[in-house]
Amino acid sequence: DGGITQSPKYLFRKEGQNVTLSCEQNLNHDAMYWYRQDPGQGLRLIYYSQIVNDFQKGDIAEGYSVSREKKESFPLTVTSAQKNPTAFYLCASSPQAVETQYFGPGTRLLVL
Amino acid sequence: DQQVKQNSPSLSVQEGRISILNCDYTNSMFDYFLWYKKYPAEGPTFLISISSIKDKNEDGRFTVFLNKSAKHLSLHIVPSQPGDSAVYFCAAALSGNTGKLIFGQGTTLQVKP
Repeated sequence: DGGITQSPKYLFRKEGQNVTLSCEQNLNHDAMYWYRQDPGQGLRLIYYSQIVNDFQKGDIAEGYSVSREKKESFPLTVTSAQKNPTAFYLCASSPQAVETQYFGPGTRLLVL
Repeated sequence: DQQVKQNSPSLSVQEGRISILNCDYTNSMFDYFLWYKKYPAEGPTFLISISSIKDKNEDGRFTVFLNKSAKHLSLHIVPSQPGDSAVYFCAAALSGNTGKLIFGQGTTLQVKP
């Protein structure tokens, strides 16, 4: 049963703390993406990776970091430098970079 | 600078009637457009797409129209069903092999029984 999984569903961050959001896909897709959604707004691209061991900054990469050591996994770290981290985070993947993207269920990050 | 705009935050239609969701864009380099449907606290679900070389694409109850001269696309849902009630996002992809999608702000569709 192929798909994209994100964990956890809800995540709480304390001030000054780094947190890591997980994204795993078993679709054998080359490309993976991280988006952020804020209330009443569209999705904004944080980082994307077209191939293993390579990734590029999106439109709002400041305060975030990623790694792509395996094809199936694209974890996102929200660092303490991200001053407004409360949002709904969505991971997506596509067979290759220019094809339709398919999304995971999302992780809601809240700041304590 | 909002390159993809959905100017109607919400739309309400009666069950069985047509729903028309609109999207405008400013960048003539966009060459691929997509519509996604999203329920609260869930990831978006892909609905339908269209390449810039076409002006219409149809899939069941969903049809997307592209007017390149006006830089405008629309999603038609006929007939509308209560289960179609959700937020609809249009997205555009730039030509070239980047894979970056630019999303509109979304339109909330409510289909009344």
